[in-house]
Amino acid sequence: SAVISQKPSRDICQRGTSLTIQCQVDSQVTMMFWYRQQPGQSLTLIATANQGSEATYESGFVIDKFPISRPNLTFSTLTVSNMSPEDSSIYLCSAERTSGSSTDTQYFGPGTRLTVL
Amino acid sequence: GNSVTQMEGPVTLSEEAFLTINCTYTATGYPSLFWYVQYPGEGLQLLLKATKADDKGSNKGFEATYRKETTSFHLEKGSVQVSDSAVYFCALRHTGNQFYFGTGTSLTVIP
Repeated sequence: SAVISQKPSRDICQRGTSLTIQCQVDSQVTMMFWYRQQPGQSLTLIATANQGSEATYESGFVIDKFPISRPNLTFSTLTVSNMSPEDSSIYLCSAERTSGSSTDTQYFGPGTRLTVL
Repeated sequence: GNSVTQMEGPVTLSEEAFLTINCTYTATGYPSLFWYVQYPGEGLQLLLKATKADDKGSNKGFEATYRKETTSFHLEKGSVQVSDSAVYFCALRHTGNQFYFGTGTSLTVIP
C-alpha cells in the first residue's frame, strides 16, 4: 500500500484567487492522479500527473484552470486557479505503483476540502 | 459507456444487522470491480476488489461477488458494527487510468 498526505486539509478562499494543494506519497509511485468530489456527487478524475512531462487532462478540465506539477516520483501539486464558488469541492490525490492495469488498486489521500466564497 | 449505479442512501442500521449495498455497472468487456470506504474525515480506502467474473472479494467481514450475468457487485456484511459507519463507493476500472465511481452510499450503524 501507499500512505498519502495532502496539504492543506481544508481552506476557505475568496473568489478570483488561486490555491495550490500538495500531495506527498510515502514511497515512489508510478502514477499519480487528481480527483474532484463535488458535494453529494461521486469522484471525477481531473488529470493524471505525469512525472517529468505535462499532465494528461480529462474532458472538461484544462491546464489553465488546474495546473499540475509532478517534479518527482513522490510529490505532486494541483492548483485551482481563478476560483469561483463552483470550484467548492473536495480535491483528492491518488497514486498507484504500476502501469494502469485494470486490476491495479489506487490509494487515496484524505482530501482537501475547498470552500470558495 | 462505462458507469456505476449504487443504491441511494443514507442507510441506517442497528448494530449486528445484515447489510446489503447494491451496485450495478455498465461496461464494455471485462472491467475490474472495487469497493472503497471513506470514514469521516479520511480519504478513500480500498475495501475489496474482484478482477474477473465469479470472483469474490472479501475483507473485514465484507464480501462482494462479481456477477457478470447481472452486471452487479453488491456489498454484503452479515453483522455490522458501529465502526462500519462510513460512505461506501463502488467503482469499476478498465485498463488505463480511469476509475468510474458510483455516487456513494452513506451507512450509519446505531448501537
